[in-house]
Amino acid sequence: GAVVSQHPSWVICKSGTSVKIECRSLDFQATTMFWYRQFPKQSLMLMATSNEGSKATYEQGVEKDKFLINHASLTLSTLTVTSAHPEDSSFYICSARDIARSTEAFFGQGTRLTVV
Amino acid sequence: GENVEQHPSTLSVQEGDSAVIKCTYSDSASNYFPWYKQELGKRPQLIIDIRSNVGEKKDQRIAVTLNKTAKHFSLHITETQPEDSAVYFCAAGTGNTPLVFGKGTRLSVIA
Repeated sequence: GAVVSQHPSWVICKSGTSVKIECRSLDFQATTMFWYRQFPKQSLMLMATSNEGSKATYEQGVEKDKFLINHASLTLSTLTVTSAHPEDSSFYICSARDIARSTEAFFGQGTRLTVV
Repeated sequence: GENVEQHPSTLSVQEGDSAVIKCTYSDSASNYFPWYKQELGKRPQLIIDIRSNVGEKKDQRIAVTLNKTAKHFSLHITETQPEDSAVYFCAAGTGNTPLVFGKGTRLSVIA
Protein backbone atom coordinates (compact mmCIF):
# COMPACT_ATOMS: atom_id res chain seq x y z
CA GLY A 1 0.00 0.00 0.00
CA ALA A 2 0.85 3.66 -0.12
CA VAL A 3 3.21 5.08 2.49
CA VAL A 4 2.53 8.03 4.74
CA SER A 5 5.40 9.15 6.92
CA GLN A 6 4.84 11.29 9.99
CA HIS A 7 7.49 12.94 12.14
CA PRO A 8 8.33 13.15 14.90
CA SER A 9 6.92 9.97 16.41
CA TRP A 10 7.04 11.48 19.86
CA VAL A 11 7.85 14.87 21.34
CA ILE A 12 7.97 16.39 24.79
CA CYS A 13 7.74 20.15 25.03
CA LYS A 14 7.36 22.80 27.68
CA SER A 15 4.07 24.54 28.19
CA GLY A 16 3.84 27.67 26.05
CA THR A 17 6.11 26.46 23.26
CA SER A 18 5.11 25.41 19.75
CA VAL A 19 5.53 22.03 18.10
CA LYS A 20 5.47 21.21 14.40
CA ILE A 21 4.42 17.80 13.10
CA GLU A 22 5.08 16.79 9.49
CA CYS A 23 3.10 14.39 7.38
CA ARG A 24 4.46 13.23 4.04
CA SER A 25 3.03 10.98 1.38
CA LEU A 26 6.08 9.17 0.07
CA ASP A 27 4.91 7.43 -3.06
CA PHE A 28 1.73 9.18 -4.10
CA GLN A 29 0.24 12.63 -4.38
CA ALA A 30 -2.25 13.63 -1.75
CA THR A 31 -4.41 16.59 -2.62
CA THR A 32 -6.15 16.15 0.69
CA MET A 33 -4.73 15.18 4.06
CA PHE A 34 -6.62 14.77 7.30
CA TRP A 35 -5.46 15.43 10.81
CA TYR A 36 -6.87 13.40 13.68
CA ARG A 37 -6.37 13.53 17.42
CA GLN A 38 -6.70 10.52 19.65
CA PHE A 39 -6.89 10.70 23.42
CA PRO A 40 -6.07 7.57 25.45
CA LYS A 41 -8.60 4.79 24.97
CA GLN A 42 -10.67 6.92 22.65
CA SER A 43 -11.38 7.01 18.95
CA LEU A 44 -9.79 9.12 16.27
CA MET A 45 -11.41 12.53 16.16
CA LEU A 46 -11.08 14.58 13.00
CA MET A 47 -9.49 17.96 13.65
CA ALA A 48 -9.18 19.38 10.17
CA THR A 49 -9.02 18.66 6.48
CA SER A 50 -5.95 20.00 4.74
CA ASN A 51 -6.16 20.85 1.05
CA GLU A 52 -3.07 21.50 -1.01
CA GLY A 53 -2.70 25.16 -1.81
CA SER A 54 -5.68 26.36 0.18
CA LYS A 55 -6.79 26.98 3.73
CA ALA A 56 -7.59 24.03 5.94
CA THR A 57 -11.14 23.26 6.98
CA TYR A 58 -11.45 22.86 10.74
CA GLU A 59 -14.00 20.82 12.61
CA GLN A 60 -16.24 22.51 15.10
CA GLY A 61 -14.51 23.14 18.39
CA VAL A 62 -10.99 23.02 16.96
CA GLU A 63 -9.15 26.34 17.29
CA LYS A 64 -7.62 27.22 13.94
CA ASP A 65 -5.28 29.76 15.52
CA LYS A 66 -3.93 27.14 17.88
CA PHE A 67 -3.59 24.29 15.42
CA LEU A 68 -1.98 25.76 12.33
CA ILE A 69 -2.12 23.60 9.26
CA ASN A 70 -0.10 24.15 6.12
CA HIS A 71 -0.37 22.03 2.99
CA ALA A 72 2.15 23.61 0.66
CA SER A 73 2.69 20.67 -1.69
CA LEU A 74 1.01 17.51 -2.84
CA THR A 75 3.23 15.44 -0.56
CA LEU A 76 3.57 17.48 2.62
CA SER A 77 1.22 18.81 5.25
CA THR A 78 2.27 20.21 8.62
CA LEU A 79 0.41 20.71 11.87
CA THR A 80 1.80 23.23 14.32
CA VAL A 81 0.48 23.23 17.86
CA THR A 82 1.05 26.76 19.06
CA SER A 83 1.45 27.76 22.69
CA ALA A 84 0.98 24.18 23.75
CA HIS A 85 -0.59 23.38 27.11
CA PRO A 86 -0.80 20.08 29.02
CA GLU A 87 -4.38 19.53 27.80
CA ASP A 88 -2.99 19.40 24.25
CA SER A 89 -1.09 16.24 25.13
CA SER A 90 -2.44 13.58 22.81
CA PHE A 91 -1.71 11.26 19.91
CA TYR A 92 -1.91 13.15 16.63
CA ILE A 93 -2.27 11.16 13.41
CA CYS A 94 -2.39 12.30 9.83
CA SER A 95 -4.09 10.48 7.02
CA ALA A 96 -3.89 10.84 3.28
CA ARG A 97 -5.68 9.40 0.31
CA ASP A 98 -4.12 8.44 -2.97
CA ILE A 99 -6.12 10.44 -5.48
CA ALA A 100 -5.73 7.60 -7.98
CA ARG A 101 -7.35 5.15 -5.55
CA SER A 102 -9.74 7.75 -4.16
CA THR A 103 -11.09 5.90 -1.16
CA GLU A 104 -8.51 4.02 0.88
CA ALA A 105 -6.94 6.16 3.59
CA PHE A 106 -3.38 5.61 4.75
CA PHE A 107 -2.18 6.75 8.14
CA GLY A 108 1.08 8.15 9.37
CA GLN A 109 2.79 6.57 12.35
CA GLY A 110 1.30 9.13 14.68
CA THR A 111 2.96 11.64 16.99
CA ARG A 112 2.64 11.37 20.72
CA LEU A 113 2.80 14.88 22.11
CA THR A 114 3.42 15.41 25.80
CA VAL A 115 3.32 18.95 27.12
CA VAL A 116 4.89 19.43 30.53
CA GLY B 1 -22.74 15.24 8.71
CA GLU B 2 -21.97 11.58 9.12
CA ASN B 3 -22.33 9.89 12.50
CA VAL B 4 -21.00 6.40 13.16
CA GLU B 5 -22.04 4.29 16.14
CA GLN B 6 -20.04 1.19 17.06
CA HIS B 7 -20.87 -1.66 19.45
CA PRO B 8 -19.74 -3.22 21.66
CA SER B 9 -17.05 -1.05 23.21
CA THR B 10 -15.30 -4.10 24.65
CA LEU B 11 -15.46 -7.73 23.62
CA SER B 12 -13.80 -10.78 25.13
CA VAL B 13 -13.83 -14.12 23.35
CA GLN B 14 -12.14 -17.45 23.84
CA GLU B 15 -9.47 -18.37 21.35
CA GLY B 16 -11.05 -20.12 18.41
CA ASP B 17 -14.45 -18.50 18.85
CA SER B 18 -15.90 -15.86 16.55
CA ALA B 19 -16.12 -12.13 17.20
CA VAL B 20 -18.66 -9.75 15.72
CA ILE B 21 -18.53 -5.96 15.84
CA LYS B 22 -21.39 -3.85 14.55
CA CYS B 23 -21.59 -0.29 13.26
CA THR B 24 -24.36 1.97 12.06
CA TYR B 25 -24.05 5.13 10.01
CA SER B 26 -26.37 8.03 9.35
CA ASP B 27 -25.43 9.54 5.99
CA SER B 28 -26.95 7.66 3.08
CA ALA B 29 -24.36 9.27 0.81
CA SER B 30 -21.55 7.29 2.44
CA ASN B 31 -20.33 4.59 0.13
CA TYR B 32 -17.05 3.40 1.62
CA PHE B 33 -16.76 1.45 4.86
CA PRO B 34 -13.32 0.42 6.05
CA TRP B 35 -12.31 -1.40 9.20
CA TYR B 36 -9.06 -0.61 10.98
CA LYS B 37 -7.09 -2.49 13.59
CA GLN B 38 -5.01 -0.44 15.99
CA GLU B 39 -2.48 -1.84 18.39
CA LEU B 40 -1.39 0.20 21.37
CA GLY B 41 0.59 3.29 20.37
CA LYS B 42 0.57 2.43 16.69
CA ARG B 43 -1.18 3.72 13.63
CA PRO B 44 -4.47 2.21 12.50
CA GLN B 45 -4.05 -0.45 9.86
CA LEU B 46 -6.69 -1.21 7.27
CA ILE B 47 -7.80 -4.83 7.56
CA ILE B 48 -10.77 -4.93 5.22
CA ASP B 49 -13.11 -2.53 3.47
CA ILE B 50 -16.36 -2.68 1.58
CA ARG B 51 -18.04 -0.39 -0.88
CA SER B 52 -21.74 0.23 -1.13
CA ASN B 53 -22.17 -1.79 -4.30
CA VAL B 54 -21.23 -4.96 -2.45
CA GLY B 55 -23.12 -6.72 0.34
CA GLU B 56 -20.39 -8.93 1.70
CA LYS B 57 -16.64 -9.33 1.43
CA LYS B 58 -14.37 -11.95 2.90
CA ASP B 59 -10.64 -12.23 3.38
CA GLN B 60 -9.55 -15.44 5.09
CA ARG B 61 -10.81 -15.24 8.69
CA ILE B 62 -12.22 -11.75 8.31
CA ALA B 63 -15.50 -10.80 6.69
CA VAL B 64 -17.57 -7.66 6.47
CA THR B 65 -21.27 -7.35 5.67
CA LEU B 66 -23.15 -4.25 4.64
CA ASN B 67 -26.86 -3.52 4.77
CA LYS B 68 -27.42 -0.24 2.96
CA THR B 69 -31.12 -0.13 3.66
CA ALA B 70 -30.63 -0.37 7.38
CA LYS B 71 -27.38 1.61 7.26
CA HIS B 72 -25.34 -0.86 9.20
CA PHE B 73 -22.25 -2.93 8.60
CA SER B 74 -20.48 -5.58 10.63
CA LEU B 75 -17.05 -7.12 11.04
CA HIS B 76 -16.81 -10.86 11.59
CA ILE B 77 -13.61 -12.55 12.75
CA THR B 78 -13.67 -16.34 12.85
CA GLU B 79 -11.27 -18.70 14.61
CA THR B 80 -9.90 -15.86 16.70
CA GLN B 81 -6.29 -15.92 17.80
CA PRO B 82 -4.47 -14.03 20.58
CA GLU B 83 -2.84 -11.77 17.99
CA ASP B 84 -6.28 -10.56 16.99
CA SER B 85 -6.42 -8.71 20.31
CA ALA B 86 -6.47 -4.98 19.52
CA VAL B 87 -8.82 -2.06 19.12
CA TYR B 88 -10.96 -2.16 16.01
CA PHE B 89 -12.50 0.90 14.42
CA CYS B 90 -15.16 1.08 11.77
CA ALA B 91 -15.46 4.14 9.58
CA ALA B 92 -17.73 5.56 6.92
CA GLY B 93 -17.28 8.13 4.20
CA THR B 94 -17.04 8.82 0.51
CA GLY B 95 -14.20 9.43 -1.90
CA ASN B 96 -14.38 13.16 -1.27
CA THR B 97 -15.02 13.39 2.45
CA PRO B 98 -12.92 12.48 5.47
CA LEU B 99 -13.66 9.21 7.18
CA VAL B 100 -15.76 9.37 10.30
CA PHE B 101 -14.78 6.75 12.83
CA GLY B 102 -16.74 4.77 15.35
CA LYS B 103 -15.58 4.86 18.97
CA GLY B 104 -13.76 1.59 18.73
CA THR B 105 -14.07 -1.92 20.13
CA ARG B 106 -11.38 -3.35 22.35
CA LEU B 107 -11.19 -7.03 21.47
CA SER B 108 -9.49 -9.43 23.85
CA VAL B 109 -8.89 -13.00 22.74
CA ILE B 110 -8.31 -15.24 25.71
CA ALA B 111 -6.01 -18.19 25.15
